[in-house]
Amino acid sequence: ETGVTQTPRHLVMGMTNKKSLKCEQHLGHNAMYWYKQSAKKPLELMFVYSLEERVENNSVPSRFSPECPNSSHLFLHLHTLQPEDSALYLCASSQGRDPFYGYTFGSGTRLTVV
Amino acid sequence: AQSVTQLDSQVPVFEEAPVELRCNYSSSVSVYLFWYVQYPNQGLQLLLKYLSGSTLVESINGFEAEFNKSQTSFHLRKPSVHISDTAEYFCAVSEASGSARQLTFGSGTQLTVLP
Repeated sequence: ETGVTQTPRHLVMGMTNKKSLKCEQHLGHNAMYWYKQSAKKPLELMFVYSLEERVENNSVPSRFSPECPNSSHLFLHLHTLQPEDSALYLCASSQGRDPFYGYTFGSGTRLTVV
Repeated sequence: AQSVTQLDSQVPVFEEAPVELRCNYSSSVSVYLFWYVQYPNQGLQLLLKYLSGSTLVESINGFEAEFNKSQTSFHLRKPSVHISDTAEYFCAVSEASGSARQLTFGSGTQLTVLP
């Protein structure tokens, strides 16, 4: 375990379902991230939270809705997804937003939209 | 904006052979460079990073990478690989200054070590 825990590890959902992904870290980090990892493509940064405020939203469709209730928890709420949204969703955290310190990643949630 | 190109999507190599995973970047400013490794069913782990100073950086498990500014490269090497090195390796770049720095990743190179 890296210190960043993601649940569930696997999720299969229909296009009309609503589900949530959870990320938790107890490393004392104050920045958290959602990335999308699709096969043979670079990791795509979706959202950045710093000190519990969303500071970046990289043109992500509104069917993805992040929530950061405190510095240790990050959620990604999903609704009316499309099959092309199937991917590995990775959460990461860091001490400050400076990549200098490196990011700590969770093991990801493998999402399949049917 | 910066970008990263990993020239090889898959690299098969026999155990105990040397390996080089190639990474080139593009940026108009000074950069930090990183290699992350992803073992099967796990998240990414930081392998090594170049921030400043010596252009050759090493990891604890025998990998090394050399920053070459003139060729805008940061290739990852290991003189003798083990089966346990089988994983996907991601090169990443960030600007070295500025208030909105973020990591930009390449598309990854799958290293498969064969017995």
